[in-house]
Amino acid sequence: RKEVEQDPGPFNVPEGATVAFNCTYSNSASQSFFWYRQDCRKEPKLLMSVYSSGNEDGRFTAQLNRASQYISLLIRDSKLSDSATYLCVVILGNKLVFGAGTILRVKS
Amino acid sequence: GAVVSQHPSRVICKSGTSVKIECRSLDFQATTMFWYRQFPKQSLMLMATSNEGSKATYEQGVEKDKFLINHASLTLSTLTVTSAHPEDSSFYICSARPTNTGELFFGEGSRLTVL
Repeated sequence: RKEVEQDPGPFNVPEGATVAFNCTYSNSASQSFFWYRQDCRKEPKLLMSVYSSGNEDGRFTAQLNRASQYISLLIRDSKLSDSATYLCVVILGNKLVFGAGTILRVKS
Repeated sequence: GAVVSQHPSRVICKSGTSVKIECRSLDFQATTMFWYRQFPKQSLMLMATSNEGSKATYEQGVEKDKFLINHASLTLSTLTVTSAHPEDSSFYICSARPTNTGELFFGEGSRLTVL
């Protein structure tokens, strides 16, 4: 079983749609969680951290369920510019583990 | 915010040659830097953890004699791909964090093509 698993997609959605991505991790000792965004042939950039209480940043909401070892990212009112690959990242000790990423394509 | 710079962004070399990639933290000191590799349509895979002043820690399956890592200062880590072969062609990315639990900043990445 992979340490971090994501649905690879692609998710093809129209502008304005709400889309949700899920991520599961296998090691219950994982400490911190992040969502990164990666555009084609570019380096990943931090989108947001994920906290147990849930956190929101504009159109983006991230949630963590430690009991189920599950992380989610919700994007509301999708924009064309949201098209990218979204990477779930888990920190275990001093090691960061990346999911394979979920591809989002927002179309007009 | 913190910035990590990587150079060169793109390199093409002949099979059998060695290529050096530099990773610099521009406005913070990084005792630890990470080197990743990403093949097309795949996730980033951690290759090694670079430790300032000591030997790097390599992930399973990564040849330490092929991928030489040097972290001689608190702001610079280098990855040298020795005797490169076409299968080493990939996107190599370095990263570092100003604190142990904070945001991870990435270099711009280096796309290596071995002919």
